[in-house]
Amino acid sequence: AQKVTQAQTEISVVEKEDVTLDCVYETRDTTYYLFWYKQPPSGELVFLIRRNSFDEQNEISGRYSWNFQKSTSSFNFTITASQVVDSAVYFCALRGGNNNDMRFGAGTRLTVKP
Amino acid sequence: DAEITQSPRHKITETGRQVTLACHQTWNHNNMFWYRQDLGHGLRLIHYSYGVQDTNKGEVSDGYSVSRSNTEDLPLTLESAASSQTSVYFCASSTGGPYNEQFFGPGTRLTVL
Repeated sequence: AQKVTQAQTEISVVEKEDVTLDCVYETRDTTYYLFWYKQPPSGELVFLIRRNSFDEQNEISGRYSWNFQKSTSSFNFTITASQVVDSAVYFCALRGGNNNDMRFGAGTRLTVKP
Repeated sequence: DAEITQSPRHKITETGRQVTLACHQTWNHNNMFWYRQDLGHGLRLIHYSYGVQDTNKGEVSDGYSVSRSNTEDLPLTLESAASSQTSVYFCASSTGGPYNEQFFGPGTRLTVL
């Protein structure tokens, strides 16, 4: 069975602080794919990044960075110098290599205060 | 521009009624999905389809059905609405292959009284 755990239900930071959102996953597949989505207060889901299980290279995109570690089954997301516009619910998701059944974590609500 | 739309955006219904939520995508994607979002559970997969005439059950399919008669549409039907089905419903689509991200619709907030 596949499972994604986002242990942090809510995080609150002050603008310009760095913040890391944790994601731990479980799967028996050797090939799998990990995703992060953002859900701002408006409600839509926005795709941020995907990683396949064979690519452990960390990714940086502007203020966003992702750290994928197979040894600890984690795919953490860091926002550097957070801004109020980063306030949203962030979801980590996992899909096995043989099917389209995507499993989402429960989400982490990030609030960035001015 | 290609998009994925859902209708209605808000719906209030009574227990026992049949309800159909519409999902229409112009991406020409083969794969379409229905999720429900509930606090503390994230998004959970209800049904999905890999193409016309193909439908599959997801994690929480009881009480729901879908049909796929064309590429663009995947309507979700609640056969006999229950209060436990009060939720926000999201439709999504993607091209083939598990590597590809899913594009989500704006969501439908359904309240069952």
